[in-house]
Amino acid sequence: GESVGLHLPTLSVQEGDNSIINCAYSNSASDYFIWYKQESGKGPQFIIDIRSNMDKRQGQRVTVLLNKTVKHLSLQIAATQPGDSAVYFCADLRGSSASKIIFGSGTRLSIRP
Amino acid sequence: KAGVTQTPRYLIKTRGQQVTLSCSPISGHRSVSWYQQTPGQGLQFLFEYFSETQRNKGNFPGRFSGRQFSNSRSEMNVSTLELGDSALYLCASSLSGHSNQPQHFGDGTRLSIL
Repeated sequence: GESVGLHLPTLSVQEGDNSIINCAYSNSASDYFIWYKQESGKGPQFIIDIRSNMDKRQGQRVTVLLNKTVKHLSLQIAATQPGDSAVYFCADLRGSSASKIIFGSGTRLSIRP
Repeated sequence: KAGVTQTPRYLIKTRGQQVTLSCSPISGHRSVSWYQQTPGQGLQFLFEYFSETQRNKGNFPGRFSGRQFSNSRSEMNVSTLELGDSALYLCASSLSGHSNQPQHFGDGTRLSIL
């Protein structure tokens, strides 16, 4: 079946280093993706999105890369800070309603001091 | 602009009871979706409302229901609570629920069933 998955359930990064979180999707028709950050006790927070007509999109300290050939996207966080500790998951938005959104299972990012 | 607001934040109930959760979307957003989040299952779609109409429903039993009011605020109800209903219930809103619009989430209601 169709899915959106993450390569690693946990990621530990040294403070100040860059973090890279990966996501694979299975449907070649997918054309819009969102990365969410979910901190403990909070709801998912929109970080950045990308549409299939783009390969790269940058925000503040974050970059999302989309490789449609291998159906893979990644979230890069520059100069990781303690406040970046959270679960990150990608969402594949397809179809005409929220019922069609497929959410990845998430990667827990922890920061080493 | 205020974000999505969910009340209450925490709720403790016992088996067999019923519960009503509330969600106020971002101002101007007319689509409201509800999700159940558990450690084992991740985010599971419950239902979506737009203009007071349920547009889609996920694969949950009839004990789970919802509604949307004319001001786009939404409520979901769970009757005859079971232990397995313990979860974080998240509400998300978007302008019209179209697939090219981002969904913005509230902080959820943590429901615990004893």
